[in-house]
Amino acid sequence: AQSVTQLGSHVSVSEGALVLLRCNYSSSVPPYLFWYVQYPNQGLQLLLKYTSAATLVKGINGFEAEFKKSETSFHLTKPSAHMSDAAEYFCAVIRSGGSYIPTFGRGTSLIVHP
Amino acid sequence: KAGVTQTPRYLIKTRGQQVTLSCSPISGHRSVSWYQQTPGQGLQFLFEYFSETQRNKGNFPGRFSGRQFSNSRSEMNVSTLELGDSALYLCASSLTSGSNEQFFGPGTRLTVL
Repeated sequence: AQSVTQLGSHVSVSEGALVLLRCNYSSSVPPYLFWYVQYPNQGLQLLLKYTSAATLVKGINGFEAEFKKSETSFHLTKPSAHMSDAAEYFCAVIRSGGSYIPTFGRGTSLIVHP
Repeated sequence: KAGVTQTPRYLIKTRGQQVTLSCSPISGHRSVSWYQQTPGQGLQFLFEYFSETQRNKGNFPGRFSGRQFSNSRSEMNVSTLELGDSALYLCASSLTSGSNEQFFGPGTRLTVL
């Protein structure tokens, strides 16, 4: 079985500050890991994905995430928050070699203060 | 290339009614998956269709069903609606079944009164 835990349902940062959204996973086999962003009244947009290549993955809008197998983590970071980054962020895991059905975390709402 | 489209965007129904939601995948994509998103349960997988066949199914009652047409468009049906069915229903398309990259539509917001 696979699962995803996102620490913190809400994260609040000031504009220009570092963004750090935490994601820990459990999977019995090497996973595929994803970060999605959801703006109000919209679907999910893929930010970045890890599929067993480089452990540091760069995504869109200046976001990146690092796969750390020893810590079973895939935290999302951005050096400088922008007001437009305010949204809901979801971490997801797919068990490689399985049914490719993603398991999503409960989401973290990013709040950006001016 | 046009993205995933879902219709309608908003829907209000009453308990006991049934509803049909539609999803048109990205051109060339043959796999369509459906998800239910609620504040309480988060994002949950409903089912996946590929080449008009259901390939995977989540843990939902039989009131939830779907189908896929030869042009890859998919419909999802919920019968005997319950208050708890109020949710955002998201459709995602991918090139093939088993693809690790899905593209999501904007969703259909269903409210059951």
